[in-house]
Amino acid sequence: EDQVTQSPEALRLQEGESSSLNCSYTVSGLRGLFWYRQDPGKGPEFLFTLYSAGEEKEKERLKATLTKKESFLHITAPKPEDSATYLCAVLSGGSYIPTFGRGTSLIVHP
Amino acid sequence: DTGVSQDPRHKITKRGQNVTFRCDPISEHNRLYWYRQTLGQGPEFLTYFQNEAQLEKSRLLSDRFSAERPKGSFSTLEIQRTEQGDSAMYLCASSLRDHSYEQYFGPGTRLTVT
Repeated sequence: EDQVTQSPEALRLQEGESSSLNCSYTVSGLRGLFWYRQDPGKGPEFLFTLYSAGEEKEKERLKATLTKKESFLHITAPKPEDSATYLCAVLSGGSYIPTFGRGTSLIVHP
Repeated sequence: DTGVSQDPRHKITKRGQNVTFRCDPISEHNRLYWYRQTLGQGPEFLTYFQNEAQLEKSRLLSDRFSAERPKGSFSTLEIQRTEQGDSAMYLCASSLRDHSYEQYFGPGTRLTVT
């Protein structure tokens, strides 16, 4: 059974203070790893898909990286509007059903 | 492209009542998923459709839950004889077959069972 663990559960940063969120996973045959952003009371918003170790994707202040055991979401010089819960999910084997982690709640203080 | 839409956005019901939610996926997407999410948890898979065929259901899905996608477009999720434990956010997502596997979520329906 696929397992996804995200850490930390919560993270508080000052505006401009860069940091990283971790997503460690255990799967049989990774087909894709996904990052989503979720604002309170809303559905998750798709950010990135990573397919193989060594792959990196960037979008504004966010950069996602992937190794064989984990993924990092790096946030550079965050702003208060980056405050949200960031979810990681994995897809493996022949399934079309992703397994989600519990998310990291990020708060960026001005 | 208007994105995935869900209706209603909020539903308050009394225990024992039946409720039905609707999801309209992105028009060209042929896969449609239903998830349930409670506070502090990631989305939990309920069921998914490819076109009008329901291909998989979670083993955790009670018999009180049923979903349809009659014409391969919109989908409905019905919960019969609701219980307080059914209170959650119900999310719908859609994806395009053979395209990156990424799913796009709707805004969700918040269900409160009193």
